Amino acid sequence: GQNIDQPTEMTATEGAIVQINCTYQTSGFNGLFWYQQHAGEAPTFLSYNVLDGLEEKGRFSSFLSRSKGYSYLLLKELQMKDSASYLCAVRDYTGNKLTFGGGTRVLVKP
Amino acid sequence: DVKVTQSSRYLVKRTGEKVFLECVQDMDHENMFWYRQDPGLGLRLIYFSYDVKMKEKGDIPEGYSVSREKKERFSLILESASTNQTSMYLCASKRIAGSNEQFFGPGTRLTVL
Repeated sequence: GQNIDQPTEMTATEGAIVQINCTYQTSGFNGLFWYQQHAGEAPTFLSYNVLDGLEEKGRFSSFLSRSKGYSYLLLKELQMKDSASYLCAVRDYTGNKLTFGGGTRVLVKP
Repeated sequence: DVKVTQSSRYLVKRTGEKVFLECVQDMDHENMFWYRQDPGLGLRLIYFSYDVKMKEKGDIPEGYSVSREKKERFSLILESASTNQTSMYLCASKRIAGSNEQFFGPGTRLTVL
C-alpha cells in the first residue's frame, strides 16, 4: 500500500516563498505528482517527478528524492491567487493508480 | 480544450436510494477514474477503468459499482445510498500512454439524508 503525509495547512505572505513537503512510503513507485485545487474546483496538474532532482516550471518547482521517500513543492513570488490546496500523489508500479495525500491548504495573506 | 464533465454539481438523496453519477470525457482517453474527497482524507480511489467494459477496484470500492459501456462515459453507482457516502465525488480521465496527467471533472457534491 501507499502512505503519504503532508502538512494540513500553511500560511505565507504575498511575494514570499513557501515550501510544501510530502513524504511517502510505498510498496511500488512510478512517479510523484503535485496538483493544485482551488476551493470548490477540480484539481489541476502542476508537476510530475519520476527521477531525483528538481523540476522547475515558472514560479513553481518540485523536488524528488526517491531514496528518502521525499518531495517538496516550492512556490515562489506568492500571489493571492495561489491560495489553494496542494495535493501530493504517488503513482503505483502499474502506472494506472494514484494515491493522494490529505492535501495542504495554503493561505496567502497580503 | 480538454473536458471532463459530471452530470450534477449538487445532489441530495435519501438513505436506501439507488444513485447514479455520470462522467463524460471528450478526449478519447482510455483510463477513467472515480474518487471521493473528504476533509483530511484527501482523494481516495473508488474504482477505475482502463478500457470499455473493463474495471478494477480501487482502495475503497465497498458500497459502489461502476459501468463503462462506452469509452467516453464512466458511471458510478451507489446501489443503496447510506449517510456515510455523503461526500464530494470526482471523476478523472487519462490517456494510457504519452501523458502523465489525470484530468478531473468539476465534482459532484452528494448529500445522503
